[in-house]
Amino acid sequence: EDKVVQSPLSLVVHEGDTVTLNCSYEVTNFRSLLWYKQEKKAPTFLFMLTSSGIEKKSGRLSSILDKKELFSILNITATQTGDSAVYLCAGGGATNKLIFGTGTLLAVQP
Amino acid sequence: ETGVTQTPRHLVMGMTNKKSLKCEQHLGHNAMYWYKQSAKKPLELMFVYNFKEQTENNSVPSRFSPECPNSSHLFLHLHTLQPEDSALYLCASSQTSGGPDTQYFGPGTRLTVL
Repeated sequence: EDKVVQSPLSLVVHEGDTVTLNCSYEVTNFRSLLWYKQEKKAPTFLFMLTSSGIEKKSGRLSSILDKKELFSILNITATQTGDSAVYLCAGGGATNKLIFGTGTLLAVQP
Repeated sequence: ETGVTQTPRHLVMGMTNKKSLKCEQHLGHNAMYWYKQSAKKPLELMFVYNFKEQTENNSVPSRFSPECPNSSHLFLHLHTLQPEDSALYLCASSQTSGGPDTQYFGPGTRLTVL
C-alpha cells in the first residue's frame, strides 16, 4: 500500500532558527513529490519535485528530493512567526491521485 | 485566493438531514477532487473527477454522493451522516496531464454532525 510518512509530527522553534522537515514515501510508479503549507484552512502549494538532487528554492524555503532513498526534505531558514503552519507532503504516481502524509505542525515563537 | 471556492464554510447538521457542499473552480482546470481532513490523520482522498467523469471512489460510504455537472463545479451530497463524519471537507482542482498535478485547494467546509 502506498504511504507517505512525515517527521517530526510537531516542532517548536524560535524566530531566526533553521528547520528541516522530513518526508519519506513509498508510492507505486512514483513521479512527483509535492509540499504544501496549511495555515488555517486551504493548503497552499509550495513545491513540486520530480528530479533527484535538484534543489527548488523560494525565498527562505527550499526543498530537495532523493529518489534513491525515497525521501524529501523541506528547509526553512531564518524562521518567522508567519511560518507557523502545518506542512504537508504528498507523493504522486502514475495518475493524478496524491497520497498525503499526516503533516508536520511547526510553531515559531517570537 | 479565490481560484477555488467552497460553500458553505461551516455546516452543522443532524444525522437525519440532507445537505450539499458546493465547490467551484475558476482556474480552467479539468480535474476536481474531494478530500476529508480529520484531526491527526492524513488528507483522505474521497473522489476524483477527470473531465466530469468519476475516476476514483476511495471506498467512500454511500451516504456521500458526489456530482460533477461540468468541469468547474463539484458537489458533495450528504445524507444520514454519522458523528464520525465530522471533519473539514476540502475541494481541489488541477489541470490533469495524466500524472501527478499541482492541486489547488479551496478553503474547505467545516462539517459537524450532531
